[in-house]
Parts: sequence; structure tokens; C-alpha cells
Amino acid sequence: GAVVSQHPSWVICKSGTSVKIECRSLDFQATTMFWYRQFPKQSLMLMATSNEGSKATYEQGVEKDKFLINHASLTLSTLTVTSAHPEDSSFYICSARGLQYINTIYFGEGSWLTVV
Amino acid sequence: AQSVTQLGSHVSVSEGALVLLRCNYSSSVPPYLFWYVQYPNQGLQLLLKYTSAATLVKGINGFEAEFKKSETSFHLTKPSAHMSDAAEYFCAVSACETSYDKVIFGPGTSLSVIP
Repeated sequence: GAVVSQHPSWVICKSGTSVKIECRSLDFQATTMFWYRQFPKQSLMLMATSNEGSKATYEQGVEKDKFLINHASLTLSTLTVTSAHPEDSSFYICSARGLQYINTIYFGEGSWLTVV
Repeated sequence: AQSVTQLGSHVSVSEGALVLLRCNYSSSVPPYLFWYVQYPNQGLQLLLKYTSAATLVKGINGFEAEFKKSETSFHLTKPSAHMSDAAEYFCAVSACETSYDKVIFGPGTSLSVIP
């Protein structure tokens, strides 16, 4: 089956710094990638949809200048949390869909971000 | 637009008892439906999916779900609960009209299994 890899799996950073999380599709071309955020004991909230080669589409309430998403290639999307604050601490999960897997999306294992 | 509701944020069952986790969906087009499981501090694992083939879908770990269009439901069941089934379960829906469609998650149901 298809594999989606996220890196780093966990990161601790200081307030005010920027953190980049990578999402890679390892054995298929991901035309679309999705970024989710999950707070403890809550469900996954979709942040944005990222299509290769175009600007990401952000969900209502998500600050696009704070959560920068780049999908420069068919196998890589990055989420950069700019000027991170403690309230940005969360579990960030990406998922990917390719044309050959049209009925299924594949999730990365998630990245824990702790801002101190 | 698609949405998902899960009745019961927390369900407790005895080991060996039937597991029933409820999911109702709303979709303007024929939906694709999924159940995911999340163990503590881990990512998501796909249990099963409905993609308009058979209405009764069998998944991993003995779970199955039945798509009922008349009830707009996709409830998850397992005949006999194991201790290892304790986790958070998410029902999700996608319109899947194109490869760009997003998956929308329900609020989740936390399953506890009592010895």
C-alpha cells in the first residue's frame, strides 16, 4: 500500500520561532495533500488542502500567513508554523491522495509540536 | 457539503461484549465513508471504507460496518470486544467527486473495554 511519511515526528520549539513539518508520499504521486490539526482528546480539524503547483486552500478560521503550506512537488508538501506560540502546540497530521488511489487517502503518522 | 456526527463521545463495553459505534453522515452526493482508529499518542489507522460497492464492509481486527442509505448511517460493529480495542474511533466522509476532495471527520468516540 501507499506510504506517507511525516518529519519530524515530534518537535519542541521556543515561542516566536518557525517550525517546518514535511509530508512525503513515498511510493506514489500525491496530487493533493491535506493538513489536519488535532488538539488533545479532540477530533481532526482540516486546516488546508494543498494541490501540487498551486496555492493551498485554507479552511475558514485558519490563518494562511501563520500556517504556510507549500506543495512544490508531487511527493512533498510542507507546513510551516510561523512565529509559533504555545497555543499552536498540537498534533499535526497530513494525508495524501493520488490519482491512482482515488478512493483512499493515506495518512502520515503525525507530528507533535510543543511550543514553550 | 459533507458532515459527520457520532452519537456518544464515550462508549464503555465489557470484554467479549458487542461493540457498536454510531455514525450518521450528511452528504449532497453519494458519499465515501471511512472508519479510522487512533491509539493513544499515535496517528490514524484505516479500519475500513465504503466506496459504493457492497453495503456491508468488513475491515481489519474483526470490525465491520454497514452502509444504510435510508438511515444515512454507517455504524461500526464488532461481535466481541478485546482489551486491545480501547482507542479513539473516527468516522469520516468524503464526496470524492475528484481526487481533490477532502475528508471530513466526525468528533470521535472513545471506546473503553472493561475486563
